[in-house]
Amino acid sequence: DGGITQSPKYLFRKEGQNVTLSCEQNLNHDAMYWYRQDPGQGLRLIYYSQIVNDFQKGDIAEGYSVSREKKESFPLTVTSAQKNPTAFYLCASTGTGATNEKLFFGSGTQLSVL
Amino acid sequence: GDSVTQMEGPVTLSEEAFLTINCTYTATGYPSLFWYVQYPGEGLQLLLKATKADDKGSNKGFEATYRKETTSFHLEKGSVQVSDSAVYFCALTGGYQKVTFGTGTKLQVIP
Repeated sequence: DGGITQSPKYLFRKEGQNVTLSCEQNLNHDAMYWYRQDPGQGLRLIYYSQIVNDFQKGDIAEGYSVSREKKESFPLTVTSAQKNPTAFYLCASTGTGATNEKLFFGSGTQLSVL
Repeated sequence: GDSVTQMEGPVTLSEEAFLTINCTYTATGYPSLFWYVQYPGEGLQLLLKATKADDKGSNKGFEATYRKETTSFHLEKGSVQVSDSAVYFCALTGGYQKVTFGTGTKLQVIP
């Protein structure tokens, strides 16, 4: 079955450490997105990519970095510069990013600080 | 910029009650509107969508109508079930394919 796979499901970060969240899709989608979800705040866009080797900052990109070397993969690195990283992270994709397309979501990664 | 405002939850209903979750939006141009549902510990799934004014999206007994004159996209269901307990997000896709989400409304249905 086609879909989006996020791993790991739970991740713990130590002070000063960078951690990378994986997102892989086999839907042949061009556009991929990373969202951060905090309780009571809905989803906020971190980064998005519409084609391979290209990506743009979203609303809260500071302290995060991404790469898009392959169409099916869009990993997110939470750097030590992100001072409040505890949140639920969701990866999503769409075929072309057109306005009438739905987003397909992965099942999320819960990141916590030790 | 674009924004979506949802009624605050949690909403607690008895099984078979009528559900309304209000959603209003601010956007330039002609956005597409969506309702997504999130079950505990999972990602979001599309529930329904509408892409132009007066369109009605429907799925699994849920309905919402794109009202341009009131900039609203309220979610309704005539008879909720315990299995409908989840968090519901209203969203719009506007210019530059950017998706804007509301803060989510938690629904709890009790038997």
